[in-house]
Amino acid sequence: EPEVTQTPSHQVTQMGQEVILRCVPISNHLYFYWYRQILGQKVEFLVSFYNNEISEKSEIFDDQFSVERPDGSNFTLKIRSTKLEDSAMYFCASSDGGLYQETQYFGPGTRLLVL
Amino acid sequence: GNSVTQMEGPVTLSEEAFLTINCTYTATGYPSLFWYVQYPGEGLQLLLKATKADDKGSNKGFEATYRKETTSFHLEKGSVQVSDSAVYFCALSDLKAAGNKLTFGGGTRVLVKP
Repeated sequence: EPEVTQTPSHQVTQMGQEVILRCVPISNHLYFYWYRQILGQKVEFLVSFYNNEISEKSEIFDDQFSVERPDGSNFTLKIRSTKLEDSAMYFCASSDGGLYQETQYFGPGTRLLVL
Repeated sequence: GNSVTQMEGPVTLSEEAFLTINCTYTATGYPSLFWYVQYPGEGLQLLLKATKADDKGSNKGFEATYRKETTSFHLEKGSVQVSDSAVYFCALSDLKAAGNKLTFGGGTRVLVKP
């Protein structure tokens, strides 16, 4: 069964450093998403992406964040200058296109720790 | 805005007990409703979904019925197993199409003891 994959599974970085989190969505999916979950808190939407541009972004997704689909398979989240409060589990998700195709399939997550 | 409220855990049960996790929602539109499960050390997996009032989603012995009148989508299982120990998330999407964000509840940790 097709699945969303994410790398790395864990990342430790120093405050102020740039990190890139990578995701490979399900191959025929058209919509891509990033969510995050700070330890003990809700899963929060960050951004959605379709047709090579951002469809929607939350207040969390400020100028420090960017997303890119550099080729036909990868979808990346970049944090330019990490802060302590960026420590969280980051989930990538993808969904098929079209009406009534709103089910999102999630990857296993990348746990980011900012020191 | 949209919101999802679910009962706080942890919920601790014995094997073969009945499980209910309450979930209520607030939405501006007519949302689709989901239950996701997160097993220890793993990502979010779709457990079941319902897209209109009175729809019942079911999977792996779990069921949830979309109740528009009470804005609820409670998850139930008649006889839990140790392998059902996980965190369960209720979520909604207020657009019946791809591309819309999911709004999640806070998650309910369930621990099933043998």
